[in-house]
Amino acid sequence: QQQVKQSPQSLIVQKGGISIINCAYENTAFDYFPWYQQFPGKGPALLIAIRPDVSEKKEGRFTISFNKSAKQFSLHIMDSQPGDSATYFCAADRPAQGGSEKLVFGKGTKLTVNP
Amino acid sequence: DGGITQSPKYLFRKEGQNVTLSCEQNLNHDAMYWYRQDPGQGLRLIYYSQIVNDFQKGDIAEGYSVSREKKESFPLTVTSAQKNPTAFYLCASSLGTAREKLFFGSGTQLSVL
Repeated sequence: QQQVKQSPQSLIVQKGGISIINCAYENTAFDYFPWYQQFPGKGPALLIAIRPDVSEKKEGRFTISFNKSAKQFSLHIMDSQPGDSATYFCAADRPAQGGSEKLVFGKGTKLTVNP
Repeated sequence: DGGITQSPKYLFRKEGQNVTLSCEQNLNHDAMYWYRQDPGQGLRLIYYSQIVNDFQKGDIAEGYSVSREKKESFPLTVTSAQKNPTAFYLCASSLGTAREKLFFGSGTQLSVL
């Protein structure tokens, strides 16, 4: 059972455009939603994260929008650059009953930004 | 530089062979994790450890074993019981739980000869 559904699987955007990646979840106990960015041959790195008490969080060109009632959250990359080309993973976590095993990842979105 | 070091970068396994992937961290993190990454499948948790001499199975532990004898080290053994071991293996650590940010190594690509 896939706990976090991520779409699209791949995305091609022109330089300067907006990249949008969506994730949906079912478990209402989830209360922490991070996004990780992975470049080829490297491990993922935390990009930005949000908790459900806010509807939006912005860090530079990256924004997470969160819709608690719809159980959806999305990553927006404004003014997309070729250097943003990477695979992006959404994830979800619920309060620890003994920790991090609760973090579940989406299947990833491969973003390509064309010059 | 503080970080996580995985070795080797590439590893080949012969039929029936056990192989061990190394993971060392100098971040003084308590928790360490092993994930398996297959194309289009995201990250799946194999094992995790929150303290020395203790570890827990993740979602796909069958065919794998780990040890945590030192805080900084969390080696993963892929046993011959793992029939489909070809994958990219990622080690990670965090100060406490995963919501405190996971730090990942650069991974080991394991292939079967």
